[in-house]
Amino acid sequence: EAGVAQSPRYKIIEKRQSVAFWCNPISGHATLYWYQQILGQGPKLLIQFQNNGVVDDSQLPKDRFSAERLKGVDSTLKIQPAKLEDSAVYLCASSQQLEAGVEQYFGPGTRLTVT
Amino acid sequence: GENVEQHPSTLSVQEGDSAVIKCTYSDSASNYFPWYKQELGKRPQLIIDIRSNVGEKKDQRIAVTLNKTAKHFSLHITETQPEDSAVYFCASRSNDYKLSFGAGTTVTVRA
Repeated sequence: EAGVAQSPRYKIIEKRQSVAFWCNPISGHATLYWYQQILGQGPKLLIQFQNNGVVDDSQLPKDRFSAERLKGVDSTLKIQPAKLEDSAVYLCASSQQLEAGVEQYFGPGTRLTVT
Repeated sequence: GENVEQHPSTLSVQEGDSAVIKCTYSDSASNYFPWYKQELGKRPQLIIDIRSNVGEKKDQRIAVTLNKTAKHFSLHITETQPEDSAVYFCASRSNDYKLSFGAGTTVTVRA
């Protein structure tokens, strides 16, 4: 089966600019996650969707970050305006369901550099 | 929220020796503990996982142990090979469905 797809793979922007990332999960996967991975750290969950509904967005900086999964398939994550500390790899993951023990499959990530 | 601590941050072993990585978690309701391997510039990939109703699980050269009372779990890699060199992350999943990751352990296998 095809894996989780993400684009773009790399993005360089200046602070205060806007950026958007796109994710296409594995076909049939109901749950989709966005993680932020800062260099040298583990992934940190930003938001998770079950179909097109938000399950948890408690760690999403809502003053600048937004995410949507309108049709329950693809998802976009937006940052507006970007700050220097947003430089990180943004990983999208998907799983068949939300239950514990269900493997999360990660995409290749988008490496964001904010200058 | 859940707090996961992982040790050591770096680990260098001789090829053929064993490697052990330890993690502790804070939420006693956590019920699922996966381990991910991330090679440089690549995506994290699940290598083994364990549920809270199991104390130990083994898959070839990799094993994971869980001590629910002490709230810690460990990854054991035996007969290490150069291709085991990577960053390893432990994670813990609590009842709110969120997966919390440790900071990672960089494992280097010396030939």
